[in-house]
Amino acid sequence: DTAVSQTPKYLVTQMGNDKSIKCEQNLGHDTMYWYKQDSKKFLKIMFSYNNKELIINETVPNRFSPKSPDKAHLNLHINSLELGDSAVYFCASSQDLSRRETQYFGPGTRLLVL
Amino acid sequence: GENVEQHPSTLSVQEGDSAVIKCTYSDSASNYFPWYKQELGKRPQLIIDIRSNVGEKKDQRIAVTLNKTAKHFSLHITETQPEDSAVYFCAASILRNAGNMLTFGGGTRLMVKP
Repeated sequence: DTAVSQTPKYLVTQMGNDKSIKCEQNLGHDTMYWYKQDSKKFLKIMFSYNNKELIINETVPNRFSPKSPDKAHLNLHINSLELGDSAVYFCASSQDLSRRETQYFGPGTRLLVL
Repeated sequence: GENVEQHPSTLSVQEGDSAVIKCTYSDSASNYFPWYKQELGKRPQLIIDIRSNVGEKKDQRIAVTLNKTAKHFSLHITETQPEDSAVYFCAASILRNAGNMLTFGGGTRLMVKP
């Protein structure tokens, strides 16, 4: 009965590698998001998609490329990983684009770049 | 863009005491203010939210107040319990490129001592 799920839960990799994180929601929501939480716990939005269409891109480096094959999935691919990419990445979803909608978070993916 | 500031960054209280966390925001167009609780190693979870047409909202031991004129809102937890220990995030919602965008405060680490 998981609402928003992410895989993998942990990801340890070397600098320069390419990796992907997957997110799925079974809430029937139209809008999905990626957030980055750094070591100081600061939560910052990266991307927002609505019905597979990119809505928000918060000046994230081109090495990060989100992909939404359908409105229930939003994956994040990261090229040429850097040490500074180490963080917890949270996927989230909300009913639609309304500005007053609750966002539900996934369990997070802990990425460590060595 | 929107800027949300949150104080204090850490808060230690004795079990049974009250805890108050305060946030200010910069964009007067924001009209949705959720509060999230994040336990260690877990996802952020919505605990209460308030919309700009309401000045105060209460849910059992938790209450939130909003002052739109002063652009600040606060979380009040009464009769604190050890299980209230977590990091609390305030957020403000703004419409950006037709998308609902949450800007989070820096978080408050609440420690409730038994």
